[in-house]
Amino acid sequence: NAGVTQTPKFQVLKTGQSMTLQCAQDMNHEYMSWYRQDPGMGLRLIHYSVGAGITDQGEVPNGYNVSRSTTEDFPLRLLSAAPSQTSVYFCASSYDVLRTNTGELFFGEGSRLTVL
Amino acid sequence: AQKVTQAQTEISVVEKEDVTLDCVYETRDTTYYLFWYKQPPSGELVFLIRRNSFDEQNEISGRYSWNFQKSTSSFNFTITASQVVDSAVYFCALRPYGQNFVFGPGTRLSVLP
Repeated sequence: NAGVTQTPKFQVLKTGQSMTLQCAQDMNHEYMSWYRQDPGMGLRLIHYSVGAGITDQGEVPNGYNVSRSTTEDFPLRLLSAAPSQTSVYFCASSYDVLRTNTGELFFGEGSRLTVL
Repeated sequence: AQKVTQAQTEISVVEKEDVTLDCVYETRDTTYYLFWYKQPPSGELVFLIRRNSFDEQNEISGRYSWNFQKSTSSFNFTITASQVVDSAVYFCALRPYGQNFVFGPGTRLSVLP
């Protein structure tokens, strides 16, 4: 059972480039989310989805796009990378009965992104 | 507003000492869930415990124990007889019913041999 799989694990970009962080889960979780982790700031929510076809913004959505065409996949797109987007990114999913948002999060291994 | 405070940025102990990590939360919701996660040096986030707001019973799992007190809005985590493998960043998190997670800033625990 793979759980939550993120790719790539490491990426270096130049300012202005675009890229997509991939996230897939095989647990049939409805809820999926993207966080960024920066030193001293904990985990901050970028975007989330409560089911296929439904996405919404979190705390720090600017500069990022998401889509949820299937239950399994939730890619995060950086439209025009900036040095401020240098961070570690985590994808996470949870099982929530009737979309009650009460389950624990299962995290991917993280993707370390550096923007030069 | 929802908020989680972990006032201890870094803690350093010697192996076999007991250590308590503090977590204070703020929410106006009456139904919510509290969590602790561990992030070892390898970087992954590991789920440790989930408690709901109606269950104030303390929980013990091996060397780990959790003290939930609604009166002080605290959900503290104690490691008894700490070991080097306990060295990690520990995150406390709040999830009000029907809403997203709110994470604290984390406490870095270093257990020295």
